[in-house]
Amino acid sequence: AQKVTQAQTEISVVEKEDVTLDCVYETRDTTYYLFWYKQPPSGELVFLIRRNSFDEQNEISGRYSWNFQKSTSSFNFTITASQVVDSAVYFCALSEVGYGGSQGNLIFGKGTKLSVKP
Amino acid sequence: KAGVTQTPRYLIKTRGQQVTLSCSPISGHRSVSWYQQTPGQGLQFLFEYFSETQRNKGNFPGRFSGRQFSNSRSEMNVSTLELGDSALYLCASSLGYLAEGAHEQYFGPGTRLTVT
Repeated sequence: AQKVTQAQTEISVVEKEDVTLDCVYETRDTTYYLFWYKQPPSGELVFLIRRNSFDEQNEISGRYSWNFQKSTSSFNFTITASQVVDSAVYFCALSEVGYGGSQGNLIFGKGTKLSVKP
Repeated sequence: KAGVTQTPRYLIKTRGQQVTLSCSPISGHRSVSWYQQTPGQGLQFLFEYFSETQRNKGNFPGRFSGRQFSNSRSEMNVSTLELGDSALYLCASSLGYLAEGAHEQYFGPGTRLTVT
């Protein structure tokens, strides 16, 4: 069955530290997408990245980087030189669009609450 | 471009009542999905509407229903409210329907429903 696990419930770091948020997924589909969303205290989910199952290239966007490894079913997210504004809950999500009735809806992990202290 | 809007932002209802939540997607987006977020269960998919048709449904009781209008705006209805329905209800829009897989979902700020 499809599942997303974010083992880290809460992480606290001091500003300028690097931090990695872990995400492990389970799926039987060969075609799927992985996402990261940020949820600040205001509640709105902010889209950060989408990666499809056929593209294992790592991606960097400013201070953010993502490491996708199909061999370990992981899609980890690293924030370099963290800032107070990075404090939020981060969700990893899976969307299956392969065979077997997959419908593409997002399956979320439980989220990791990141607190960045000045 | 305006983002996804949801109304109302906050709502307090009593058990047994019904409630209707509204979502206006990003202009040009034809798919609207609804998610429920609670501390215990996290974020769970409710249903998706595309071109006024329900395309996909999560594992929720029939008390939860929705519809989509020709302008892509969507409403979600919960009848016979229970205490456990207290949650943040998030709406997301995307260009195409989710099973295509090629579209990001953009979320609204949510409606915080409290059932007393």
